[in-house]
Parts: sequence; structure tokens; C-alpha cells
Amino acid sequence: GAVVSQHPSRVICKSGTSVKIECRSLDFQATTMFWYRQFPKQSLMLMATSNEGSKATYEQGVEKDKFLINHASLTLSTLTVTSAHPEDSSFYICSADGAGVGEQYFGPGTRLTVT
Amino acid sequence: SQELEQSPQSLIVQEGKNLTINCTSSKTLYGLYWYKQKYGEGLIFLMMLQKGGEEKSHEKITAKLDEKKQQSSLHITASQPSHAGIYLCGASNAGNMLTFGGGTRLMVKP
Repeated sequence: GAVVSQHPSRVICKSGTSVKIECRSLDFQATTMFWYRQFPKQSLMLMATSNEGSKATYEQGVEKDKFLINHASLTLSTLTVTSAHPEDSSFYICSADGAGVGEQYFGPGTRLTVT
Repeated sequence: SQELEQSPQSLIVQEGKNLTINCTSSKTLYGLYWYKQKYGEGLIFLMMLQKGGEEKSHEKITAKLDEKKQQSSLHITASQPSHAGIYLCGASNAGNMLTFGGGTRLMVKP
């Protein structure tokens, strides 16, 4: 089956620093990847849609200059949280678009803690 | 935009009991997905429903999509502690973006 990995699984960083999260589709090519954020006891919220070779599309309220997304290849998308603040602490999950309509495969998530 | 409402928000059941989780959409559903999430972990795909009246089962979990395609229910028979977690329904649009419901937190008491 289709597998999506994320790295790192957990990261702790200091306020003001930047953190990069990688999302990889291991056994298939994904022209589109999605980034979600989940705060404690809340549901997943779509942050942005990442398309290979083009600029990401951000959802309303998500700062594109703060959450930099790069989708340089068909198997890798990265999310960089720049100048992280404690309120950016969250669980970030990526998904990769499969071949079928509405088919998405989710990564295991990355827990970010900003101190 | 499409909104999904899940009920109940949380549920505590005794092991062996049956339970139902509902997902109601503000718009017609073209693809409805059920996922399970262990606390602090990624999503586990359970089932996908597309056709009105469709019903799918996997082990002790059954999901249905009503005829009007605006509501889905997830039913667990004879619940076990391994069923505990967060259940999320998601709806896809033409661009394959998923909108999620608020989630239902299930606890199963042994």
C-alpha cells in the first residue's frame, strides 16, 4: 500500500528559530500534497495545498511567509515553520494525493513544541 | 464551504457495548471518509463511501451513507478497548482537499 513518511516525528525548538518538516511518499509519486495542523483536542485543519513545481495554495488565515512550503519533487514536500512561536506548537500532518479521486494517504504526523 | 458536524463529541462505553457516531454535512457529500486517530498519532483510513445508501463493513465497524448523501454513521459492534481513539469523518471536494469533522473521542472501559 501507499506509504507516506514524515520527519521528524517530534521536534522541540526555541522561540525564534525555524523548523523544517519533511513529508515523503515512499512508494508512489504525488503531484499534490496537503499540510494539516491539529491543535490539542481539535480536529485537523487544512493549512495549504502543495503542488509539485509550483507555489503552494494557502488556506485563509495561514501566513504563507511563516509557513514555507516547498514541493520540489514528486515524492517530497517540506514545511518550514519560520520564526517559531509557542503558539505554533501543534501536531502537523501531511497527506499525499493518490491516483484515485479523493484518495489521500496520511503521514504519521510531526509534533512540534516551541519553548 | 462544506462543514461537517460530528456527534457525539465524546463517548464513553462499556466494553462489549455497541455505539454509533454520526457525521452530518452542510452540503451533498461526494466522498465521505472515516478515519481513526490514536491520540497524538497519524490517521488510519477506515472506509470510504461515495454512493447514496452505501454501506461498508470492516471487522466490527460498519459505515453507512444515507440516500441523500448528507449524513453518514459509523457503528461499532461489541466495542473493545482497541477501538478507543478519535474518529474523524472527512469529505472531499473536486480538488481532493479534505474537510474534517470535529472528531469523536471514544473511550472503551474494560
